[in-house]
Amino acid sequence: EADIYQTPRYLVIGTGKKITLECSQTMGHDKMYWYQQDPGMELHLIHYSYGVNSTEKGDLSSESTVSRIRTEHFPLTLESARPSHTSQYLCASSGSSGSSYNEQFFGPGTRLTVL
Amino acid sequence: LAKTTQPISMDSYEGQEVNITCSHNNIATNDYITWYQQFPSQGPRFIIQGYKTKVTNEVASLFIPADRKSSTLSLPRVSLSDTAVYYCLVGDLDTGRRALTFGSGTRLQVQP
Repeated sequence: EADIYQTPRYLVIGTGKKITLECSQTMGHDKMYWYQQDPGMELHLIHYSYGVNSTEKGDLSSESTVSRIRTEHFPLTLESARPSHTSQYLCASSGSSGSSYNEQFFGPGTRLTVL
Repeated sequence: LAKTTQPISMDSYEGQEVNITCSHNNIATNDYITWYQQFPSQGPRFIIQGYKTKVTNEVASLFIPADRKSSTLSLPRVSLSDTAVYYCLVGDLDTGRRALTFGSGTRLQVQP
């Protein structure tokens, strides 16, 4: 069982609010990722990190920002939520060695609804 | 980025073997081939990974021909619980984002 956690699991919030989606993993993985996925649609990479103090934007343009101050923690922040941000956000991590080195472990996701 | 092509959907019946083929003509020398399974409202889950020839684990087999331009995920004796979306990814997480493009996947529907 993968040890990667996301909170909250569900969030309903009004337009203009600042939100932070939490993601943490206890596997000591150096790489972490954020994906966005609408129901029945593709996963799109929005941010990734290859280690502490390293963050990059993904393929899908996103108004969110991320930080990586600690290896185990990779929060995603929306400064001003809008209805267009309504989606499911999935966090994942991967290690650099061992039998699962090219495997991404996914968290349960956060389903965000902005009213 | 490595591009993969899979069938959009497949139908099967319980107990049958299902083979899902993925085309990846521009696979690079260092690229691995990785398959994931995703159920609705959940994150993808790793199924199997290979570099060449055949790989088998407790849930699936992965067949990769010598030219590595395609791969086939084989699910033996599927059940209703195998109804899901299956993604083929090509790349190496250590060398860049090539392994992070999930594409549209193949929606497998298993009927009783």
